[in-house]
Amino acid sequence: GAGVSQSPRYKVAKRGQDVALRCDPISGHVSLFWYQQALGQGPEFLTYFQNEAQLDKSGLPSDRFFAERPEGSVSTLKIQRTQQEDSAVYLCASTRTGGIGEAFFGQGTRLTVV
Amino acid sequence: AQKVTQAQTEISVVEKEDVTLDCVYETRDTTYYLFWYKQPPSGELVFLIRRNSFDEQNEISGRYSWNFQKSTSSFNFTITASQVVDSAVYFCALSEAGGYNKLIFGAGTRLAVHP
Repeated sequence: GAGVSQSPRYKVAKRGQDVALRCDPISGHVSLFWYQQALGQGPEFLTYFQNEAQLDKSGLPSDRFFAERPEGSVSTLKIQRTQQEDSAVYLCASTRTGGIGEAFFGQGTRLTVV
Repeated sequence: AQKVTQAQTEISVVEKEDVTLDCVYETRDTTYYLFWYKQPPSGELVFLIRRNSFDEQNEISGRYSWNFQKSTSSFNFTITASQVVDSAVYFCALSEAGGYNKLIFGAGTRLAVHP
């Protein structure tokens, strides 16, 4: 597709459930980012991939959060044993190169943990 | 530490009014990039502009203009003759140079333009 695609758009999980969020970046884009956006706040950086290499995971809030991009294209963000504080919109973004450039964002996955 | 402050939480204007969204940033880097993004109700962030720290020229794009002042660490955004379609949340963001595009966002300003 022409843009960054994320699925599902909405996810309701019971506390303690594991969830997997998918991101399809723009084809050929080298860099991929995950951000977490709490209600009424700006997005906060979670992790960064350059191709298949995860070069920065400093923003992951706990070891329950795990991300992968095994073939350098599609990425999955997994959250284990979800907690209520994990409720947020998870945004994926990609850029064409590994440097500073225009980041294209997906529409996000809204996760609600009940 | 890097930080972006958008002090205006919400702004409400009537169509055709001009409106300025404020952004103040903090960084110890001498080289950095500043961005503005628009987030409409659909959720995706739409890129509006990127400036590097060495380019303090103001920029105008149609009804949009940006005023970058290093002396006050500000990068303000003005919409001239606002329209209802401008209603959205606007985010200012900061990124270090010499690396990848890790963005530090402000909390955003919600702009409501009424007919």
